[in-house]
Amino acid sequence: SQTIHQWPATLVQPVGSPLSLECTVEGTSNPNLYWYRQAAGRGLQLLFYSVGIGQISSEVPQNLSASRPQDRQFILSSKKLLLSDSGFYLCAWSPIVQDEQYFGPGTRLTVT
Amino acid sequence: QQQVKQSPQSLIVQKGGISIINCAYENTAFDYFPWYQQFPGKGPALLIAIRPDVSEKKEGRFTISFNKSAKQFSLHIMDSQPGDSATYFCAASLQTGANNLFFGTGTRLTVIP
Repeated sequence: SQTIHQWPATLVQPVGSPLSLECTVEGTSNPNLYWYRQAAGRGLQLLFYSVGIGQISSEVPQNLSASRPQDRQFILSSKKLLLSDSGFYLCAWSPIVQDEQYFGPGTRLTVT
Repeated sequence: QQQVKQSPQSLIVQKGGISIINCAYENTAFDYFPWYQQFPGKGPALLIAIRPDVSEKKEGRFTISFNKSAKQFSLHIMDSQPGDSATYFCAASLQTGANNLFFGTGTRLTVIP
């Protein structure tokens, strides 16, 4: 069966510091991968998606970036965090030809 | 532009009652309609889904009703329990492309004992 991991689970970072969040998927090959952000009590905002290694599409202009160095690894980064980057970051995957997306456990990021 | 409109934003239901969450869409190319359940601090989990060739799908206490002509679909939770208290997201999917799943804004359900 497939599983999706995210780490860290929680993170507190000062404004201006860098960020690296990691997501890995097990039990599948060549998945589509997604990064979402969820503000407190709010909906899901798609940030990036990837259909393959090195292929990243950005949905929202911001100071965040994403990379996919391996087939089942997706990384969310920032060079300098802003207060507005605080939120719950979710990674998701879907089979290459499928409708559903499956979410990871999330990373709670607090920028102070 | 919100592709999928969800209501209500929040809902309080007595234990044993029926919870109803509604969603509407405009794009007739959508062909798959999943619902996700999210508990606080957790990622959303796929709950139940329907395709437009059927008008209703039931799994246990959860039922999706789908009205293709009205471009609306709804989630019904029968015999609601305190353990159902969560945020529910509807979504609609296009058949093509990787960026093909569009979420509603979510409904926070509270079931009171």
